[in-house]
Formats: sequence, C-alpha cells, structure tokens
Amino acid sequence: NAGVTQTPKFQVLKTGQSMTLQCAQDMNHEYMSWYRQDPGMGLRLIHYSVGAGITDQGEVPNGYNVSRSTTEDFPLRLLSAAPSQTSVYFCASSPLMGPYGYTFGSGTRLTVV
Amino acid sequence: GENVEQHPSTLSVQEGDSAVIKCTYSDSASNYFPWYKQELGKRPQLIIDIRSNVGEKKDQRIAVTLNKTAKHFSLHITETQPEDSAVYFCAASTGTSGSARQLTFGSGTQLTVLP
Repeated sequence: NAGVTQTPKFQVLKTGQSMTLQCAQDMNHEYMSWYRQDPGMGLRLIHYSVGAGITDQGEVPNGYNVSRSTTEDFPLRLLSAAPSQTSVYFCASSPLMGPYGYTFGSGTRLTVV
Repeated sequence: GENVEQHPSTLSVQEGDSAVIKCTYSDSASNYFPWYKQELGKRPQLIIDIRSNVGEKKDQRIAVTLNKTAKHFSLHITETQPEDSAVYFCAASTGTSGSARQLTFGSGTQLTVLP
C-alpha cells in the first residue's frame, strides 16, 4: 500500500495563477480532508469529504475548491492564487467509522509570489 | 466550533527527563483526542489517542491523560531520548463517524531533547 500520496511536493505560483494539488489514497478510506499548516497556527481544516460526491467546508475554505468523484481521489484547487495561500498543505484520510486517527500525505509546500 | 489550546509552544528537556504537554478544549461534546508527532519536514504521524470514556492510556514511554470535567488532556513522555525531538500536536473531535470525524488541532509544541 502506498497510503496517502500527494503531488507535487513543491510548487511556486505567481499571484493569480490557478493549480490543483493532487491527493490519492489506496486504503479505501471514506473520509478525506485537506489541511494547511502555517507557523504557530497548527493545522487548519480547509475542506473535507465523507464519501464520493460529498464535500463540505472546514475552517478556512475561501479561495479553495474540492471535488470527490471517486473514493480514492480528493484534489484541492486554488482558483486564483494569493500570497496568503503560501503554506504547507496536507491531505489526510481515515475510515469513516471507528476511533481511527488520520493518515497524512507527505505534504505540498506551496509558495505564491 | 471547537477551539483547542496547547501549551507550551516550546519545551526543552534533558535526555532522560520527562516532558508534559497540555491541551484544553472548548466543546464539551468532544470525545476523541489524538496526539500527532511531526518531525522536521515530515508528515504528522499519530502516536497515541484516547476516547472520553477512558481517563488514561499508556503505550511504552508515552501516556495520555484526560480530565473531562476540566476539559483538558495531556501528553506525558518519560525517559526522553533525542529522537523524541519534534513538534507535537494535540487534536479533538466530537465524534468518530461521519462529518464529526473532523479534527481541530492545537498550535503545536516544539519539543527539544538535549543530550
């Protein structure tokens, strides 16, 4: 099993550009989520999904879009990148039921200039 | 929504000493409390978790305690080793199924174990 795979690992964008961060898991986890990590602020939830076709907003959803067409994939789209979106992005997944912790991807370090 | 506060933000201990990190939560409905360890440049990894029907849980040198009345929980690391140096995050959620699985994280504690 590869677990949770995120691509790319690093990305530099210009202000106003758009891009998609990819996340895929091969553990058949129903629950998937996107977090951003900024110094001193911990991990903040952007969007999450409890299954294919179902998504919902987290704490900091503005400027981001998600979709969940399959159980395996949960891409995060930046619509028009802003310097405030410079961050490290983590995708995480877990089974929907039971007291299981998240499995995190390796992260994407995004810089918007 | 849930708010999780974590203290201290930095902690230095001598190798072999114990380390304690404390978190408080605001939502009395929260019932699942995991702890994650994140080494520099790596992903967060689950090290221990506790549910609200348990007051304490131990796994080798790591233990977590929960006080539901005071709404706080703590991570205890005994006999610290240099490889324990990392950022530790606490988290809380109101459930273990469906949308309640979303975790609210504390701001993290940078633990440094001095040789």
